[in-house]
Amino acid sequence: EVQLVESGGGLVQPGVSLRLSCAASGFTFSNYGMRWVRQTPGKGLEWVSAISSSGTYTHYADSVKGRFTISRDNSKNTLYLQMNSLRAEDTAIYYCAKVRSSSRSLEDWGQGTLVTVSS
Amino acid sequence: QSVLTQPPSASGTPGQRVTISCSGSSSNIGSNTVNWYQQFPGAAPKCLIYNNNLRPSGVPDRFSGSKSGTSASLAISGLQSEDEADYYCAAWDDSLSGYVFGTGTKVTVL
Repeated sequence: EVQLVESGGGLVQPGVSLRLSCAASGFTFSNYGMRWVRQTPGKGLEWVSAISSSGTYTHYADSVKGRFTISRDNSKNTLYLQMNSLRAEDTAIYYCAKVRSSSRSLEDWGQGTLVTVSS
Repeated sequence: QSVLTQPPSASGTPGQRVTISCSGSSSNIGSNTVNWYQQFPGAAPKCLIYNNNLRPSGVPDRFSGSKSGTSASLAISGLQSEDEADYYCAAWDDSLSGYVFGTGTKVTVL
């Protein structure tokens, strides 16, 4: 069974950094692209970042480009999101998701971790 | 700011057919496949339809997807009370080099 478990969320002040982790199990992690998607409570979904299976290729939403960095450690089956210079508008539930092979759809999702940016 | 536009709400009585539209542009729906996600309150989204019209294992065949030009739609046939949820379309956008979601549609079973 595929499992994706996010961690690292919490309450932080504007301007600080936070690193989210997503521990993967139940599949060959190194074979799949991964994504981070966020959702402001009560609002819609927003794609944040993407990374290829090897980690070679990354993409970012304009709203986080230059502040967030996606990475992965295939030896640890773990996906990361380094978030710097956090803003109030980054407050959201952050989900990691596994990309379906031969598709750009998000086949499996974690339960999410809440990041609150507030002074 | 969502690039894909959906109606904010849709509703129907049990057994009815409900259709949700998703309008995009040539850089997203017009040139890439569309996926649909279902989300219940307090839960993570779940993929309902991928590659325009394919259902993952376990998704009832009451759910179907289609795409034409720069628009797509999700149809729920034989609406059931457990279908009450939020539904989002999504597609890769070549201009943005990113994955874009629709604005979301809340389906209510009357």
